[in-house]
Amino acid sequence: EAGVAQSPRYKIIEKRQSVAFWCNPISGHATLYWYQQILGQGPKLLIQFQNNGVVDDSQLPKDRFSAERLKGVDSTLKIQPAKLEDSAVYLCASSLVGTAHNEQFFGPGTRLTVL
Amino acid sequence: AQSVTQPDIHITVSEGASLELRCNYSYGATPYLFWYVQSPGQGLQLLLKYFSGDTLVQGIKGFEAEFKRSQSSFNLRKPSVHWSDAAEYFCAVGAVSNDMRFGAGTRLTVKP
Repeated sequence: EAGVAQSPRYKIIEKRQSVAFWCNPISGHATLYWYQQILGQGPKLLIQFQNNGVVDDSQLPKDRFSAERLKGVDSTLKIQPAKLEDSAVYLCASSLVGTAHNEQFFGPGTRLTVL
Repeated sequence: AQSVTQPDIHITVSEGASLELRCNYSYGATPYLFWYVQSPGQGLQLLLKYFSGDTLVQGIKGFEAEFKRSQSSFNLRKPSVHWSDAAEYFCAVGAVSNDMRFGAGTRLTVKP
């Protein structure tokens, strides 16, 4: 069974530039999550989708971050414009449904460096 | 909202020695508790989870954890550490809606 795929694996940009990350969840998983993991910290949930609808985006900085999951499968996370403090690993995860009983499977992440 | 504290930022143990990683949580109701492992350049992998029932939970790779409600703890243990266990370990607490909150992690170094 294929795991969660993410691309790119690494990205370096200048501050105020834009960047987008892509995630392909495990086939059949209805719930998709984006996490931000700053160096030395645990992952922090940015947004949770159930199919193509947003369940929780309370910790997403909406002035610069946006995410979509148009067909309920792949998802894109965008930052526009980027700030230095956005340097982090962005993890995508998926689960069959969005309850605690269902294991979240994580992708390898995209490491973003903002200069 | 729920929160997690992992008091140890970095632990070093010798190969073959026993291991205990500490985790304390804060949550008003019965928590859903998890331990994840993250190897360099990899995503997180679930080691074990606790929802209810037996307070001693067995996981993959020989790990176990014990839920102690009176101490608000969910410590991870392994009787004999292998060099391949060197990684970052994260404790997490979740609610029914799967809103997981992670601790800051404990980095494990294994000495030969």
